Amino acid sequence: DIQMTQSPSSLSASVGDRVSITCRASQSISNYLNWYQQKPGKAPKLLIYGASTLQSGVPSRFSGSGSGTDLTLIISSLQPEDFATYYCQQSYSIPWTFGQGTKVEIK
Amino acid sequence: QVQLQESGPRLVKPSETLSLTCSVSGGSISTYYWSWIRQPAGKGLDWIGRIYSSGATHYNAPFKSRVTMSVDTSKNQFSLKLTSVTAADTAVYFCARGGFSGSYYFDFWGQGILVTVSS
Repeated sequence: DIQMTQSPSSLSASVGDRVSITCRASQSISNYLNWYQQKPGKAPKLLIYGASTLQSGVPSRFSGSGSGTDLTLIISSLQPEDFATYYCQQSYSIPWTFGQGTKVEIK
Repeated sequence: QVQLQESGPRLVKPSETLSLTCSVSGGSISTYYWSWIRQPAGKGLDWIGRIYSSGATHYNAPFKSRVTMSVDTSKNQFSLKLTSVTAADTAVYFCARGGFSGSYYFDFWGQGILVTVSS
């Protein structure tokens, strides 16, 4: 199984900050990487698929980059509604696996 | 807009079978993969497995001996059965659609259903 490790596990940031979350795969996953946002009591919401393609309706302050084993989610200017937990997920091989999550909290 | 809705018993006794159904509306269940994902309280997401509209399945190894997924295209529903449950199976269970555009991703999710295993 491909292990996905996110860093950091949590971070504190202010509105307007640039935030970067990294996902490291235990083997190369090319660009088969998706990012989700989850708020308490809600289902995850797809933000980015294929490492860098923004899902329809997702604000352009979210972007994804990288390929291989190290991939990144960037929020260019953090907004109040972005405080949530973010998960990466690889779809390179079965079983599909998720990172452990990164909780973005208000500083 | 595709919508998914989980349904089923919210309380299951230890050693019994957890049974959930996901009803899909706003789109056809055909030509997609459909997954079950669970999340214990305060923890991360675990992919249980997927079923294609044809009935073909892939199960994650930790669940393989206990899980069965099925699909009913006439009702636009798919289902999960997990046998011999223990307290460790207490979690929010989500159903999700496997969208595809060069790679797979979960583009539509149900709201989730909390299933508690307790006597």
